[in-house]
Amino acid sequence: KNEVEQSPQNLTAQEGEFITINCSYSVGISALHWLQQHPGGGIVSLFMLSSGKKKHGRLIATINIQEKHSSLHITASHPRDSAVYICAVRTGNQFYFGTGTSLTVIP
Amino acid sequence: KAGVTQTPRYLIKTRGQQVTLSCSPISGHRSVSWYQQTPGQGLQFLFEYFSETQRNKGNFPGRFSGRQFSNSRSEMNVSTLELGDSALYLCASRPSSGYTGELFFGEGSRLTVL
Repeated sequence: KNEVEQSPQNLTAQEGEFITINCSYSVGISALHWLQQHPGGGIVSLFMLSSGKKKHGRLIATINIQEKHSSLHITASHPRDSAVYICAVRTGNQFYFGTGTSLTVIP
Repeated sequence: KAGVTQTPRYLIKTRGQQVTLSCSPISGHRSVSWYQQTPGQGLQFLFEYFSETQRNKGNFPGRFSGRQFSNSRSEMNVSTLELGDSALYLCASRPSSGYTGELFFGEGSRLTVL
């Protein structure tokens, strides 16, 4: 049983396209995180959400607590956005992670 | 401000040995959490420390342990290493003790068990 499900697993896009990555979870959460991992391992936190919507540059993250669903949108995608995007939820005393979405943006 | 520092970055051990990994959080951050990442299982939560106390623990055997010092630096130890312990071990720090707050990750320690 996976507490966090992400889709799609793999995504290839042309530069400039609008991208959406989805995350569904089955547990009650105190926070949801979107993480970015480039080849080599380093992880960067993009957003932490407990409600509503956040925007940072070309990235937008939304969460619907009632539906237990979050989306990460990338507008005007660029090759430097190529990375693995991971959804993580915190339940209070546990963290659960999605398996990640591998994004490749082609010039 | 310096980021989260993990040492060593790479290490190779043999089965049965033990290993200690270190994590220095961002200055002023008092919460440190540890994670294991493998190709098969993905990211998994190991444990979290705040003010030298383990607050939460993931579903890992007792061979995995950790501690936090008064300066907030943290160490994790894996005893009696198994081949399956080969992984990238990541730590993250947060400024607060609550259950929310952005995570700041280190570059990780890549452990290979032969």
